[in-house]
Formats: sequence, C-alpha cells, structure tokens
Amino acid sequence: GEDVEQSLFLSVREGDSSVINCTYTDSSSTYLYWYKQEPGAGLQLLTYIFSNMDMKQDQRLTVLLNKKDKHLSLRIADTQTGDSAIYFCAEVDSGNTPLVFGKGTRLSVIA
Amino acid sequence: KAGVTQTPRYLIKTRGQQVTLSCSPISGHRSVSWYQQTPGQGLQFLFEYFSETQRNKGNFPGRFSGRQFSNSRSEMNVSTLELGDSALYLCASTAGLGPTDTQYFGPGTRLTVL
Repeated sequence: GEDVEQSLFLSVREGDSSVINCTYTDSSSTYLYWYKQEPGAGLQLLTYIFSNMDMKQDQRLTVLLNKKDKHLSLRIADTQTGDSAIYFCAEVDSGNTPLVFGKGTRLSVIA
Repeated sequence: KAGVTQTPRYLIKTRGQQVTLSCSPISGHRSVSWYQQTPGQGLQFLFEYFSETQRNKGNFPGRFSGRQFSNSRSEMNVSTLELGDSALYLCASTAGLGPTDTQYFGPGTRLTVL
C-alpha cells in the first residue's frame, strides 16, 4: 500500500530556515499536502502542491517536489517560536480521501 | 463562521464497552471524514461520508462504524472497545469532494480505553 515517510524530529534556531522532508511511494499521487498540528489542536492545512508542479511558494513557506525521487520538502523561512509544532506530509491519489499521512516531524524552535 | 466541533473532547471507557463520538462540520460542508491518530500508527483514515452516504472506508474492523445525518452531522461508533482503540479521533469536513477542497479538522476526541 501507499507509504509516506518523514524524519521524526527537527530542531532549529529562531530566525533560521527549517526544511522538513518527506518521501512517498505512491506513484499515482496527484496532490501532496503539508499540515501543522499544535498541541491540543486538530490539523491545519498549510499548503498543497499538485503533482505536475515542481515548486510552490506561499509567504514564508516553500514546497519543493521531486516527482522522480518521490520527495517532498517544506521550507519555512525565518522560523519563529510559534512555528513549533508537528508537521505532517500527506498525499492523495484521487478525490480528497483517503489522505495518507506520514508520522509527522516535530519541529522545535530554539529562541 | 464556526469551525468543526467534536464532542466530547475527552472520554474514558473500559474494555468491552461501546462509544459514540460526534462531529459537527462547518456550516454548508457536506463531506465528513474520520481519522484515528495514535503514536504508533500515526494518522489513519477511517471513513468518509457525503450526503448521508459512505463514500470511502479505511482498513478498520467492523467494530468501527459511522453515519451521517441529513444536517451533515456525523457520528462514529466503536463497539466492544479494545485497549488498542485508545487514540485521538479526528473529524474533518470539506465543502466538496475535489483534492483542492480544503479539509478542515476539528480538535479531536481523545478516547482512553482502560
């Protein structure tokens, strides 16, 4: 079945850039997403990218997609303490369900 | 506009009992999906409902069931609870069924099975 892998932890200093990586196995993935989960809260959609795109930028967020290597990354510029959270990569191959999620990367921002 | 609400937020049950969780989607949203989140398995899709019909179902045993009402509110039921059912259950609603229709998640119901 489909699988999405992420590293579990990332620690960065405030003001630096964070890069969270994700790999997936489903070659028929059409959309890939990044979600953020803060303690005690549900998931918040940050951004998504269509599989025929290489890059998408949205303010401090840059998503890069290497479809050949099935590798997705999320770069957060000028990382702030409020960015501390768990970040999930997810993919879908048609419609909007089911989303297949990675296990999440816990980002810690050090002041 | 009110977000997705889930009730109750916390629940403690014992093995063998059954439980019903409720999800109220954003007003106007007709699609509701349910996910189970555990430390070991991460986020796993349970099922999706649209206009009172189950559109999609994940790989969970028949003890897990759900339904959707005409006002789009949804409930999920777990019968004969097992310790492994302890998890955060998340509900998400969308306006439509396309991949760019944003899924808005509720805060979840944390179920503890003793």
